[in-house]
This record gives sequence, C-alpha cells and structure tokens, in this order.
Amino acid sequence: EAGVVQSPRYKIIEKKQPVAFWCNPISGHNTLYWYRQNLGQGPELLIRYENEEAVDDSQLPKDRFSAERLKGVDSTLKIQPAELGDSAVYLCASSLELAGGNGELFFGEGSRLTVL
Amino acid sequence: SQQGEEDPQALSIQEGENATMNCSYKTSINNLQWYRQNSGRGLVHLILIRSNEREKHSGRLRVTLDTSKKSSSLLITASRAADTASYFCATDRLGYGNKLVFGAGTILRVKS
Repeated sequence: EAGVVQSPRYKIIEKKQPVAFWCNPISGHNTLYWYRQNLGQGPELLIRYENEEAVDDSQLPKDRFSAERLKGVDSTLKIQPAELGDSAVYLCASSLELAGGNGELFFGEGSRLTVL
Repeated sequence: SQQGEEDPQALSIQEGENATMNCSYKTSINNLQWYRQNSGRGLVHLILIRSNEREKHSGRLRVTLDTSKKSSSLLITASRAADTASYFCATDRLGYGNKLVFGAGTILRVKS
C-alpha cells in the first residue's frame, strides 16, 4: 500500500514569491492534515479536512496561506507571498478516523521550504 | 501552541541500554500518542494509549500514562542504533474537537 505522497521534497524561493505543495493521502483516508514543523519543534496543525470540507483552519494564516482539497482526495497548500519566517517543513498526514478516536496519523516525508 | 513537553530534550545512550522519555501535558486528554521521526523524514506512529489505560506494550516499547500527574513515559528497551531519532508525544485534548497537539520532542541518539 502506498503511503502519503508529498511534492516537492525541497523548495527554495525568494521572499515574496509564491509556492505550492501537493499531497496525495493514503487511499480511503477521509481525513487530511497539513502541519508545519519548524526546526527543533514538533509539528503544528495548519488545517484539517474531513473529505473536502475544511473543519479546522483556525491556525492557518489566511492572509497568505490557502489550501484546497478538491474531490476529497489530493490537497494543495499555497503560500503567497512567502516570507522569511515561512521557512519550515510542511507535513501532510492522513487518517482513516479522527485522531481522537483510533486515528493514528500517517505522515508523508514532508516538503522542506527555504525562503531567502 | 504546544500542549506536551518532552523531557529530556536530548538523550544519548549506548546500544543495549534502555531509553526513557517523558511527556507532560496541561489539559485533560482523550488519548496520548507517541511518534518517531528519523532525520529528514516524516513522523511514524508508535503507540496510542487512552485516558483510561495506565500501561501499554508494543514490542520493545512500553508506554505509561498517569492522568493524575498529566504525564506519560516511553521506554525503549535494549536500544539499537536504528532507534536513533526524535520522539514526540501528541495529545488529543478533551473538548478540543479531535485536534492532535505535538510536543517539541526528545532527540535520542543510540551509540553503537
């Protein structure tokens, strides 16, 4: 069974440029998460989808970040314009059930963003 | 904001020794999970313990949960060089709508 697939693995951009990350969750997983992980820290939730609905986006900086999950499968996370402080690893995860139930999260390898 | 705090921040041991990592949290939880992250990789789920459980085992892993002290520990027995990684606890807090919150992690180095 294929795991969570993310691309690109690495991205280096100048500040004020746009960037997009893509995630393909495990087949059949209805819940999808985007986390941001700063160096030396644990992941912090940006947004959670249940199918195609964003049910928790309270920590998504909506002035510059946007996300979508069309058809309830793949998802993209966009930053426009990027700032120096956005340098981090962006992790996508999926689960069959909610994390509060039996729902362990399956993570992708992450997309490492460097903003110069 | 991060709910869990792992202790120690870093741990270095010899192969074959046991490694113990602790996690403290602030609010009541539904469950607590432990994850491992190898350098440059995604996180991998290790074990989940529910609030009504006190201890759980999985292979060389033993997790305890003390809800009165709001703390958990992860014990890795007979450690191997391949156990070198960062370990994170994550809590599902009561009343927060199934949002899993991660701590800052413990970096474990197992020397061969």
